[in-house]
Amino acid sequence: QKEVEQNSGPLSVPEGAIASLNCTYSDRVSQSFFWYRQYSGKSPELIMSIYSNGDKEDGRFTAQLNKASQYVSLLIRDSQPSDSATYLCAGGQGAGSYQLTFGKGTKLSVIP
Amino acid sequence: DTGVSQDPRHKITKRGQNVTFRCDPISEHNRLYWYRQTLGQGPEFLTYFQNEAQLEKSRLLSDRFSAERPKGSFSTLEIQRTEQGDSAMYLCASRLPLPGGSPADTQYFGPGTRLTVL
Repeated sequence: QKEVEQNSGPLSVPEGAIASLNCTYSDRVSQSFFWYRQYSGKSPELIMSIYSNGDKEDGRFTAQLNKASQYVSLLIRDSQPSDSATYLCAGGQGAGSYQLTFGKGTKLSVIP
Repeated sequence: DTGVSQDPRHKITKRGQNVTFRCDPISEHNRLYWYRQTLGQGPEFLTYFQNEAQLEKSRLLSDRFSAERPKGSFSTLEIQRTEQGDSAMYLCASRLPLPGGSPADTQYFGPGTRLTVL
């Protein structure tokens, strides 16, 4: 099993709908988790971090972490065309470096 | 703009040439990372600095790659004898650990250097 796995998509949702992005991780990645958004040709931009079980909300974004199931998700409410991007799930690992291990990313298209 | 800068933003080189990239982290961040991202993949960890000390290196970092952070501020990544497989986006990230060293503190990425090896 790869350390962080994502459905590569593409995922298409209509404008105003809820987009649901999912990520699973292995035992080697077990600390904190991050969702980054990456527009084509640009570098990753942090959206949310989460390290405790449960939900964390920030505006239109909600991250969910279930450590028992080794599952992380990101919900985007009221999706906008500007949300169209690749969403990268990353887990921190390493006792000192907390280097990030990324999934391949899920490409989201929000259709006007 | 996260405050992390990288130079150059684009580099085209011929196979066999040496290239060097620079990263300037957010000034108070003492942790610095290099990642590499190829098309359709997520970024992959290359190496990590705490101040001027290079503390971790990935198996991806072959002996043609060398990274330095001489004064604990900016960092350079050099690739010697470039190969076509080195074509990628090279990303630098910096981090300021929260008190107590929480794993939840964030890495901020620079804009990246896109390398094309012909």
